[in-house]
Amino acid sequence: QKEVEQDPGPLSVPEGAIVSLNCTYSNSAFQYFMWYRQYSRKGPELLMYTYSSGNKEDGRFTAQVDKSSKYISLFIRDSQPSDSATYLCAMTASGGKLIFGTGTLLAVQP
Amino acid sequence: DTAVSQTPKYLVTQMGNDKSIKCEQNLGHDTMYWYKQDSKKFLKIMFSYNNKELIINETVPNRFSPKSPDKAHLNLHINSLELGDSAVYFCASSQVSGPYETQYFGPGTRLLVL
Repeated sequence: QKEVEQDPGPLSVPEGAIVSLNCTYSNSAFQYFMWYRQYSRKGPELLMYTYSSGNKEDGRFTAQVDKSSKYISLFIRDSQPSDSATYLCAMTASGGKLIFGTGTLLAVQP
Repeated sequence: DTAVSQTPKYLVTQMGNDKSIKCEQNLGHDTMYWYKQDSKKFLKIMFSYNNKELIINETVPNRFSPKSPDKAHLNLHINSLELGDSAVYFCASSQVSGPYETQYFGPGTRLLVL
């Protein structure tokens, strides 16, 4: 079993839809949780970063962490075609290496 | 004004050859990384250097050898290339030796071994 599991998709939604992307993990030592966005043929770029359980909002994006269930989510409101990309969750224990999920490919149809 | 740059962007080569990928960052960061992303988009760390010193060395074949001439550069040399080495290799950098600091990724080097 991988340390981090992520639904690979692909996920196709119409413009304006609410998108939910999810990851589960097995290592209870993970404390820092990130979402990276990777456009086609580009490197990943950090989208959101959270430390504790709860929600963190940034514009149309909300990151949610539930440490008791070992489950994290990224919600995208009013999705746009420019949101079409692969979304990678990533997490780490304190001072440890970053462990990535396998990524979810999202396509937002205009 | 590219933050993290890699050369070459594409590399097509024959099995058994030796090749190098170069990475440079102009962000003044202390830590640099090499990642491998396979065809299923799984991104896995290979090496990490902090101020030219190796701090993370994952279970990677000895054919892969990183070299950091200074803290702005981290190169990756691969000997005796195999078909399974085909992947996208990403260089990244961060300010401190802690992955929870933002890691900035390069554009990737697409390696195809024939």
